[in-house]
Amino acid sequence: AAGVIQSPRHLIKEKRETATLKCYPIPRHDTVYWYQQGPGQDPQFLISFYEKMQSDKGSIPDRFSAQQFSDYHSELNMSSLELGDSALYFCASSSHRDSYYGYTFGSGTRLTVV
Amino acid sequence: RKEVEQDPGPFNVPEGATVAFNCTYSNSASQSFFWYRQDCRKEPKLLMSVYSSGNEDGRFTAQLNRASQYISLLIRDSKLSDSATYLCVVNRGDSSYKLIFGSGTRLLVRP
Repeated sequence: AAGVIQSPRHLIKEKRETATLKCYPIPRHDTVYWYQQGPGQDPQFLISFYEKMQSDKGSIPDRFSAQQFSDYHSELNMSSLELGDSALYFCASSSHRDSYYGYTFGSGTRLTVV
Repeated sequence: RKEVEQDPGPFNVPEGATVAFNCTYSNSASQSFFWYRQDCRKEPKLLMSVYSSGNEDGRFTAQLNRASQYISLLIRDSKLSDSATYLCVVNRGDSSYKLIFGSGTRLLVRP
């Protein structure tokens, strides 16, 4: 079965650079969530989109922005990168009406800022 | 205070042992409850949903007590492959269906 696809799997950037992470949800899933997981931390909610509109916002820095496109894929744009942005970034998707049943995570993008 | 709190780990148990994890949540409006499993440097994977009546899936049993806002996971006959971090996850209780994660409890099953 198709899963949530994230790219790239690994990314190394220097401080103050920009990065773009991509997420392709499971087909027919209309909702996408982004989470950040630092070393030894639990996943922290960043932002979510439902039907291409932002549906909720968490602890996402102002330096980050995201959007969901017409094909439902989503991109997380990160600018002025800081060392503290080094983390695993997970995307998850669900069908909105079935979100009650949890969501499916992608394999994540490991971002290292040096 | 975190919205979802779990037992601190790690739990170090021998194969075949029974182990129980506990979790409490603070938002009484929460409607959905889950246990996710996360292996090192991998994505969280849904282990099981938790229903008010309690539910069982093989060696795993989950219980929910809404009055006490308490969730538990029982693992019987532990296997080496059960070694992982177990995340208690609760939905926000609003229309966003945002999931809030506990910090996780690490389980180590030794031979």
